[in-house]
Amino acid sequence: AQTVTQSQPEMSVQEAETVTLSCTYDTSESDYYLFWYKQPPSRQMILVIRQEAYKQQNATENRFSVNFQKAAKSFSLKISDSQLGDAAMYFCAYSANSGYALNFGKGTSLLVTP
Amino acid sequence: DTAVSQTPKYLVTQMGNDKSIKCEQNLGHDTMYWYKQDSKKFLKIMFSYNNKELIINETVPNRFSPKSPDKAHLNLHINSLELGDSAVYFCASSLQGGTGPHGYTFGSGTRLTVV
Repeated sequence: AQTVTQSQPEMSVQEAETVTLSCTYDTSESDYYLFWYKQPPSRQMILVIRQEAYKQQNATENRFSVNFQKAAKSFSLKISDSQLGDAAMYFCAYSANSGYALNFGKGTSLLVTP
Repeated sequence: DTAVSQTPKYLVTQMGNDKSIKCEQNLGHDTMYWYKQDSKKFLKIMFSYNNKELIINETVPNRFSPKSPDKAHLNLHINSLELGDSAVYFCASSLQGGTGPHGYTFGSGTRLTVV
């Protein structure tokens, strides 16, 4: 079974600063997808960024970027120029190419201070 | 336009009751899911349906029964509700088992409270 580990239950960052959230995963598959989802207090699950394992290039979406290290099975999320609206729970998730399921880590609660 | 809509958003009910949560997606996705988020915010897959066929049925009590009348709908029926069923239930959908360009799209969740 695939497992996703987020070792940081809570993180804090000052506005305009940069923060990195860690994620590692365990799989024997070679083809899979990795995701970061954001869950603000409204509880809506919002896709932040997506990475295909076969792509070596790290995905970026505006202020959000990932550091994907396939050999190390690591998938960290970097948030640049942090904003108050970035405060939320962030979930790392894994999906096998044929899995029909998304396996989540336990989440990292991000606090953004003025 | 709401992509994945689930109703109701809040549900408070007594132990022993039977309740249903409805989910509909208008994205043309072929796969739909139910996830449970517990009090510690952990999200776990319960069921997934692809083209109305059950693909994944995780270790979930028989009291939980999903029903997919068509590709755009996946409802969750819960019999004999227990205190431990209190959680937030998310419906989600995807294309090609989640490998499509937009990954998985989630509904806004249903907070179920059993008293």
